[in-house]
Amino acid sequence: DTAVSQTPKYLVTQMGNDKSIKCEQNLGHDTMYWYKQDSKKFLKIMFSYNNKELIINETVPNRFSPKSPDKAHLNLHINSLELGDSAVYFCASSSPVSDEQFFGPGTRLTVL
Amino acid sequence: GENVEQHPSTLSVQEGDSAVIKCTYSDSASNYFPWYKQELGKGPQLIIDIRSNVGEKKDQRIAVTLNKTAKHFSLHITETQPEDSAVYFCAAGKSGYSTLTFGKGTMLLVSP
Repeated sequence: DTAVSQTPKYLVTQMGNDKSIKCEQNLGHDTMYWYKQDSKKFLKIMFSYNNKELIINETVPNRFSPKSPDKAHLNLHINSLELGDSAVYFCASSSPVSDEQFFGPGTRLTVL
Repeated sequence: GENVEQHPSTLSVQEGDSAVIKCTYSDSASNYFPWYKQELGKGPQLIIDIRSNVGEKKDQRIAVTLNKTAKHFSLHITETQPEDSAVYFCAAGKSGYSTLTFGKGTMLLVSP
């Protein structure tokens, strides 16, 4: 069974559109994250949620808004998409007991 | 905040050789140092981690060493195989706080 799942896997859209990426984990973890991986493979934390509460919000444009309806889900909504938003977005989850972060398969976003 | 430097950015070895990837960190309060492997088209996956109360940890062909004084840690892969080819990331963080700062990654290519 998939531990951390994301949908969609690929997302191609036009500049200016609004899109969402969904993430779900079935590991019972309390903490979930969104990372952005650019074309040079650099992994940068965007947001971190613990028990549905935002605990980390790195320097990310306001156009990005995470939403956590419950502990197992953390969705990412992006308004007014720009060319520079093109990247692979990874969702992850972790437990404070082990510190290990489990990553989803990624969503490749392409903005045309 | 924490800053993690990783070298080299690319590493090519022959099958059977050893590979070493090195990382340095800046925050002396960091005490958790994981290594992740990312295969093409997949999310990063933890392969080994070390905490600041030990200097070395081994798991079959993989080992990690930590020098707290110098604030650097290294990944050692022995008897490399083509399936070891991937991007490897080091990271540093504080145990129990979930936040990790990643290095920029090393693309390892193992030639048969």
